[in-house]
Amino acid sequence: LAKTTQPISMDSYEGQEVNITCSHNNIATNDYITWYQQFPSQGPRFIIQGYKTKVTNEVASLFIPADRKSSTLSLPRVSLSDTAVYYCLVGEGDMRFGAGTRLTVKP
Amino acid sequence: EAQVTQNPRYLITVTGKKLTVTCSQNMNHEYMSWYRQDPGLGLRQIYYSMNVEVTDKGDVPEGYKVSRKEKRNFPLILESPSPNQTSLYFCASSWGLTSYEQYFGPGTRLTVT
Repeated sequence: LAKTTQPISMDSYEGQEVNITCSHNNIATNDYITWYQQFPSQGPRFIIQGYKTKVTNEVASLFIPADRKSSTLSLPRVSLSDTAVYYCLVGEGDMRFGAGTRLTVKP
Repeated sequence: EAQVTQNPRYLITVTGKKLTVTCSQNMNHEYMSWYRQDPGLGLRQIYYSMNVEVTDKGDVPEGYKVSRKEKRNFPLILESPSPNQTSLYFCASSWGLTSYEQYFGPGTRLTVT
């Protein structure tokens, strides 16, 4: 299972674009990259998943370079309600969430 | 509505009194798992199950038991709870190993005194 490294915390302001990068140097050929969002006292919620290049949905974009050793979750024009913890997961089998990145959006 | 349900949502109990937290999903998912979440430690997996009668340990299985007799249910059993098991517990399910969109339950806040 590929280990991931993310920043512990980030601050932003409403209306800004936020980019959270996750490093996964030993990602395996078959591994997908998945991001979750968690609000306090709630279970994590799936945001986006990708394998390579770029994936976009109504919530976020996921950028994955050719070597796949990192990925960047991009949240366009964040609002206060985007304040949450964001987790990057890579690999199969048992799911290890780690500490995630605590994003705080300020007015 | 597709969902994962957990019961109870809140529980206060005493050391050594056996308890079970139920988890049920209505999506016919094969993969189910249990996590605990503690401040500063993030989400840690306790046990997971890839199908009926197939369970395996996660990162922190000590003091817990699980069973998977039916596809939809995955109860978490604490035979002799201790205060260090005071935590927020989440159950999750998904289609399988190749699909990582896990659906989480609302959580069970357990306090062991």
